[in-house]
Amino acid sequence: GNSVTQMEGPVTLSEEAFLTINCTYTATGYPSLFWYVQYPGEGLQLLLKATKADDKGSNKGFEATYRKETTSFHLEKGSVQVSDSAVYFCALPTTGFQKLVFGTGTRLLVSP
Amino acid sequence: NAGVTQTPKFRILKIGQSMTLQCTQDMNHNYMYWYRQDPGMGLKLIYYSVGAGITDKGEVPNGYNVSRSTTEDFPLRLELAAPSQTSVYFCASTADYEQYFGPGTRLTVT
Repeated sequence: GNSVTQMEGPVTLSEEAFLTINCTYTATGYPSLFWYVQYPGEGLQLLLKATKADDKGSNKGFEATYRKETTSFHLEKGSVQVSDSAVYFCALPTTGFQKLVFGTGTRLLVSP
Repeated sequence: NAGVTQTPKFRILKIGQSMTLQCTQDMNHNYMYWYRQDPGMGLKLIYYSVGAGITDKGEVPNGYNVSRSTTEDFPLRLELAAPSQTSVYFCASTADYEQYFGPGTRLTVT
């Protein structure tokens, strides 16, 4: 079935640094791809998505491009803020009923 | 529009006790899910439902039960709690693969 692998954390950055969190996937066909974010003490929430190959999803200064050639969907942000400190999950659909399979999450810590 | 709500937020159980985690959504979504999240791990699917009266097992259903009598409610029942069930539990509902999560229930079994 479909699966996703994302980089281990934590990723520790200073404010205004550039962020990349790697995500690669294995899938049948070209399913939609998602990034979810979990702030401390909260549930996950959708950050951005891309529904087809070469699409770029973007939200809150974050971007990710659906690259079928490299089966990747890396998350990037040009200038992180302390408020971006959270756990980020890459996800894609699996085995019907709108179920998603999630990566193990990457914790981002941003210091002032 | 409250989205997905879960109660309680925190609970401590003794080994062998039972409890029900409540989940309600007000978005009229047919698909609902229960996940557990262990420290440093991703999410594991416990049970899911595709509509009132229809439920099915996910990856880790042992020790849990669910019911879905209405579109809005999807309670998760723990029978005979064990330390291995110490975790954070999230309920979610979905529309077009975008999942909406509740705030979670942090459960400790001692």
